[in-house]
Amino acid sequence: EPEVTQTPSHQVTQMGQEVILRCVPISNHLYFYWYRQILGQKVEFLVSFYNNEISEKSEIFDDQFSVERPDGSNFTLKIRSTKLEDSAMYFCASSPQRRTNYGYTFGSGTRLTVV
Amino acid sequence: GIQVEQSPPDLILQEGANSTLRCNFSDSVNNLQWFHQNPWGQLINLFYIPSGTKQNGRLSATTVATERYSLLYISSSQTTDSGVYFCAVSTSGSRLTFGEGTQLTVNP
Repeated sequence: EPEVTQTPSHQVTQMGQEVILRCVPISNHLYFYWYRQILGQKVEFLVSFYNNEISEKSEIFDDQFSVERPDGSNFTLKIRSTKLEDSAMYFCASSPQRRTNYGYTFGSGTRLTVV
Repeated sequence: GIQVEQSPPDLILQEGANSTLRCNFSDSVNNLQWFHQNPWGQLINLFYIPSGTKQNGRLSATTVATERYSLLYISSSQTTDSGVYFCAVSTSGSRLTFGEGTQLTVNP
C-alpha cells in the first residue's frame, strides 16, 4: 500500500534555529497538507498545497512557516527561528483530489523538540 | 468552522470487552475518517466513512450523515488496541478538523 514518508522521525533543535521537515507524498496525489499536534492535544491543520501554491492556511501558519515542493516529489515545511512552543508532532498528508473518495493518507510524523 | 465532539474522552476496558466510540459533528461533511494514534504517535487510518457502514476485522464504523454522528465499534478488544482514537471531518473538500480524541486503555 502506498505510503507518505516523513523524515526525520525526530529532530531536536535549539531555539532560534531554522528547521526543515521533509515529506514524500504518494506519487499520484495532487493535494498536500501539513498538520501539527502539540503533546496531549488534538491534531490541527496548518496548510494545504496544490498546483505549487498554498490553497488554504490556518491562523497558526504565520510568517514563521513556509512550504515548498522543490523537486516534484518532496514537500517541505520550513520553520524559521523556532520557538519553544513549536515543539510538536508534525504530520504530512496527501490526497489524490480535493473531494477525495479515499480520504487523506498521513505520514508517520516528525517529532520536533525545541530546546 | 465545523465542530467535532468525541465521547467518551477516556475509556478503560478489560481485554475481550466490546466498546463504542462516538463522534458528533456540527455540519454536513463530505469526508469523515477514524484514526488510531498508537503509542509512537503514528496516525493509522482506520476508516474513510462519510456515510454508511464499514467493517474491517474486529473494527466497524457507521456514519449517519443526516443525523451528524459516527460510531466506531471495537469488538473483543486487545491490549494493542490501546491508544487515542480520533475522528476527523471535512466539508467541501477543505481542511480536516479533528476531534479531541478518545483515550482507550485495554488492560490484560
